[in-house]
Amino acid sequence: GAVVSQHPSRVICKSGTSVKIECRSLDFQATTMFWYRQFPKQSLMLMATSNEGSKATYEQGVEKDKFLINHASLTLSTLTVTSAHPEDSSFYICSARDPRGTYEQYFGPGTRLTVT
Amino acid sequence: KNEVEQSPQNLTAQEGEFITINCSYSVGISALHWLQQHPGGGIVSLFMLSSGKKKHGRLIATINIQEKHSSLHITASHPRDSAVYICAVSQYNTDKLIFGTGTRLQVFP
Repeated sequence: GAVVSQHPSRVICKSGTSVKIECRSLDFQATTMFWYRQFPKQSLMLMATSNEGSKATYEQGVEKDKFLINHASLTLSTLTVTSAHPEDSSFYICSARDPRGTYEQYFGPGTRLTVT
Repeated sequence: KNEVEQSPQNLTAQEGEFITINCSYSVGISALHWLQQHPGGGIVSLFMLSSGKKKHGRLIATINIQEKHSSLHITASHPRDSAVYICAVSQYNTDKLIFGTGTRLQVFP
C-alpha cells in the first residue's frame, strides 16, 4: 500500500522555540494532506487540511499563527509549531489522500513532541 | 452524543478467541475506515469500505449502510493483535474524517 512518512518521530524542545514536522507521501502525489493531534488516551482531532499550492484550512479553535502549515509540493507538507509551550506537547499525525482512489487516506507514523 | 460511537471501549481476550468491535455513526458518509494504532502511536489503515464486507487475513470488516453500523472481527486472535482499533468515517462529499474514541484490545496468551 501507499506509504506516508513523518520526520522526526520524536522531538524534545525548549519552551519558546519552534519545531518543524515534515510529512511526505513516498509513492503518490498528494494534493491534500491532513494534520491531526492526539492527546494521551484520546482520539485524533483534525487540526487542519493542507492543500498543495494554497493556504491551509484550519479547524475551529486551532490557531493558524501558532501552527503554520506549508504544502509547497505534491509530496511534502510541513507543520511548524511556533513558540512552543508545554501544553503543545502531543502526538502529531499526518495523513495524505491518494487521489488515485476514493477517500483512501494513508497515515504517517506520527511525531511525538515534548516541550520542556 | 458523538457522531461516531464505538463499543466496547476496552476489551480483553484470550489468545484464539473471536473478537468483535462495533461502530455506529449518525452522519451521512462516503466511506468508513478501520484503523489500528499500536502503543508507540503509528496508525495503520486496515480497511476502507462503503458497502458489504471485506476480508484481509484474520480480519473481517462489515458495514450496514441502512443501519449506520459497522463491525470489525478478528478471528483466532493473537497477542500481537493488541492495539487500539479506531473507527472513522469520511463525511459525505468531504475528505474529513470523524473518529471514534477507539477500542483498546488486549489479547493474552
